[in-house]
Amino acid sequence: GAGVSQSPRYKVAKRGQDVALRCDPISGHVSLFWYQQALGQGPEFLTYFQNEAQLDKSGLPSDRFFAERPEGSVSTLKIQRTQQEDSAVYLCASSLHHKQETQYFGPGTRLLVL
Amino acid sequence: KNQVEQSPQSLIILEGKNCTLQCNYTVSPFSNLRWYKQDTGRGPVSLTIMTFSENTKSNGRYTATLDADTKQSSLHITASQLSDSASYICVVIPSGGSYIPTFGRGTSLIVHP
Repeated sequence: GAGVSQSPRYKVAKRGQDVALRCDPISGHVSLFWYQQALGQGPEFLTYFQNEAQLDKSGLPSDRFFAERPEGSVSTLKIQRTQQEDSAVYLCASSLHHKQETQYFGPGTRLLVL
Repeated sequence: KNQVEQSPQSLIILEGKNCTLQCNYTVSPFSNLRWYKQDTGRGPVSLTIMTFSENTKSNGRYTATLDADTKQSSLHITASQLSDSASYICVVIPSGGSYIPTFGRGTSLIVHP
């Protein structure tokens, strides 16, 4: 497929469990973004990569959240010791070059922490 | 306070009718303003992108307008279809050093047959 893909699509975790969310951006896209979308809200910025460099992680809500993109393509968002307030949809988006170009979103991973 | 406010929060219309969604923002200065359509369970899809110097942008039955003086944008949907049922999100991208987009909460549109 030519679009952004994310896996898993759904994840149920027990409170305190670690989770890893994967994003496969469109091939060749330089910029990659992670967003958190709570129910009934708009997405909120978490972090931004340009190739393998994490240029901005100011939106990560706590040090339990960690993101990486080691080879400049696939990215993983890891949440340690999940809490109930982490329940949300986690969206990944990529753009071809510049960070202000059109972003193409994946379908998201819906995380539910019990 | 959210820097991007959308109204109405939800809207129900009959198939074939037109509707207009509103977006007021305080993000300034800004680089561009975007409207996205988000179907339930899917990621947002870009409908229009307007720079601060543009007043209107069309994409099929979708027409977005922008008034940078009053910091208002609208999305007009013509001859609505059942497939238009979705959430419509207004996004403002700041200019200058920051590029972090500010998203509105969206307007939930339901089109009834």
